Amino acid sequence: EAGVTQFPSHSVIEKGQTVTLRCDPISGHDNLYWYRRVMGKEIKFLLHFVKESKQDESGMPNNRFLAERTGGTYSTLKVQPAELEDSGVYFCASSQWAGGYGNEQFFGPGTRLTVL
Amino acid sequence: AQSVTQLDSQVPVFEEAPVELRCNYSSSVSVYLFWYVQYPNQGLQLLLKYLSGSTLVKGINGFEAEFNKSQTSFHLRKPSVHISDTAEYFCAVISYNQGGKLIFGQGTELSVKP
Repeated sequence: EAGVTQFPSHSVIEKGQTVTLRCDPISGHDNLYWYRRVMGKEIKFLLHFVKESKQDESGMPNNRFLAERTGGTYSTLKVQPAELEDSGVYFCASSQWAGGYGNEQFFGPGTRLTVL
Repeated sequence: AQSVTQLDSQVPVFEEAPVELRCNYSSSVSVYLFWYVQYPNQGLQLLLKYLSGSTLVKGINGFEAEFNKSQTSFHLRKPSVHISDTAEYFCAVISYNQGGKLIFGQGTELSVKP
């Protein structure tokens, strides 16, 4: 069974440019989460999809970030325009729904974003 | 609001020595507790989790953790570490009423030396 995949693995862009990160969850996982780790800080929650619906987007830093999950499969996270403070590692995770949230979240390898 | 504190940012140990990575949490509601590990250039992998029941939880690779509700702690232990255990370890919680989002500690870098 394929794990969670993320693309690209690395992205280096100039301030003001747009970047789109993609996450393919494990097939059949209804829950999809985005997290971010800024250098030197803890991993922080960004948002949570249940199928194609945004369940919780309380962690999104501002309106320069837009996440979508069309059809309840893969998800994209777009940053437009990128700022220096957006640099960090963006993780995607997915889990099954089984009546509660104690299920394991399976993480992808992350996308390292560098904004110059 | 929930928070997780990992008391040590770096823990150097010699191979075959025991290790304890400390984690304390703060929450006004009940939580699920997790330990994840990140090896270099890889994603996070679940080591173990506490949902309910026995407070001593055993995980993969010989790790175990004990949930202590009165001290709000969930320390991770291994009796004898290997070079291959060198990695970053993350303690995390999910609150029952927070929809599944993990709240992470700052991470502990375990460095096992020969």
